[in-house]
This record gives sequence, structure tokens and C-alpha cells, in this order.
Amino acid sequence: DGGITQSPKYLFRKEGQNVTLSCEQNLNHDAMYWYRQDPGQGLRLIYYSQIVNDFQKGDIAEGYSVSREKKESFPLTVTSAQKNPTAFYLCASSIQGAYGYTFGSGTRLTVV
Amino acid sequence: GQQLNQSPQSMFIQEGEDVSMNCTSSSIFNTWLWYKQDPGEGPVLLIALYKAGELTSNGRLTAQFGITRKDSFLNISASIPSDVGIYFCAGQPGPSGTYKYIFGTGTRLKVLA
Repeated sequence: DGGITQSPKYLFRKEGQNVTLSCEQNLNHDAMYWYRQDPGQGLRLIYYSQIVNDFQKGDIAEGYSVSREKKESFPLTVTSAQKNPTAFYLCASSIQGAYGYTFGSGTRLTVV
Repeated sequence: GQQLNQSPQSMFIQEGEDVSMNCTSSSIFNTWLWYKQDPGEGPVLLIALYKAGELTSNGRLTAQFGITRKDSFLNISASIPSDVGIYFCAGQPGPSGTYKYIFGTGTRLKVLA
């Protein structure tokens, strides 16, 4: 079955450490996205990529980094520069056109 | 960054009641989508709208693309406990073929049995 997989589901990180969240899709989608969701808040765009080896900053890119070396994969690194990293992170993918996004099931990151 | 305004922000309703929520923007959108997010999961697409005035149903859900292209509405009839969750609207401001969607702030629905 085609889909988009995020791992791990839950992640704990010590302050000052970088951590990488995985996102893999086998839908052959061109574009991939990372969103952050805080309790009681909507979805805020961190980074997105429309093609391999290219990505653009979203609305809240500071303290995050991404790479897009393969069409299927779009990992997100939460660096120690991100001041409030505890949140629910959602990865999504899409094809060109008005078909919307397919979301993964999310990773909940907690800084301890 | 740009976000869409959804209302109400949250609502408690009795099982069996109908629910209405809407999404508004200051700019024109070419596509409107409605998603539902269960607790601890990613959003799932419910309905997609592509034309001003379009009315589309998916079971007990009905959504409309506003004729001004600046708003959209979602109705849920005869609510049941599993309708609980967060409902997001999303709009595509660019021409067909662009990737980026703008998401609403969400409507949190709680159904009392």
C-alpha cells in the first residue's frame, strides 16, 4: 500500500541536542512538506521541497534544517538553535495540481 | 505567514445534532479542501472543492465553495461520537499546478453522547 511514513512516533531529546525526524513516501509524489503543530494551534509550515535537491523555507524555518537527496525522503533536523522544539511534527506530500496533501501520522517531540 | 480564519474555534454538541463551520480568507482561492485530524494523528482529506459555488457531499458531510471564492463551509449532519477531532480547511491561492496550500486555524469538535 502506498503511503507516507513518519518515524519515530514519539521522540525525547535533551536540551542542546540535535535530532532528526524521518519522513518517507512511496506515493511517487514530487513535493514534500514539514509542518509544526502546537497544542490548540493550526499547522505552521517549516520547510517544503518541490523537487529533489531543492527546498524552500516556510513561515517558521529558524532552528530547523532539511535535505532532499531522494524523491522518497525528506528528513527534518531540529537543531539546538530551535528555542521551543517541543511540538507535534507532521510531514506531508503532494503531486502537482489541486489534489491536496497526504499527511503522515506525525512525530511528537518532547525536549527534556 | 498567511492563515485562514476558521469559526467557531471549538464547539461542544450533543450526539445527533447538525454542525456547521466555515473558513474565510481576504484573498481568492482556486481550491478548497477540508481535513479531519483525530487526536495524535495526521489530518485526513474529507472533501475537495474546485469551483465557485460547488456543493459536494461525502456521507454525512457536505461542503461548499463560496461564490466569492473567499470562503468555504462544512456541515456535518446527525453527529456521532467519532466525529470528534479537529477540522481544518485549506485553500490553494495560486493557479492550478502550484503546490502550496494555506491552512486554517482549525475547529475543534467535541460530541457529547
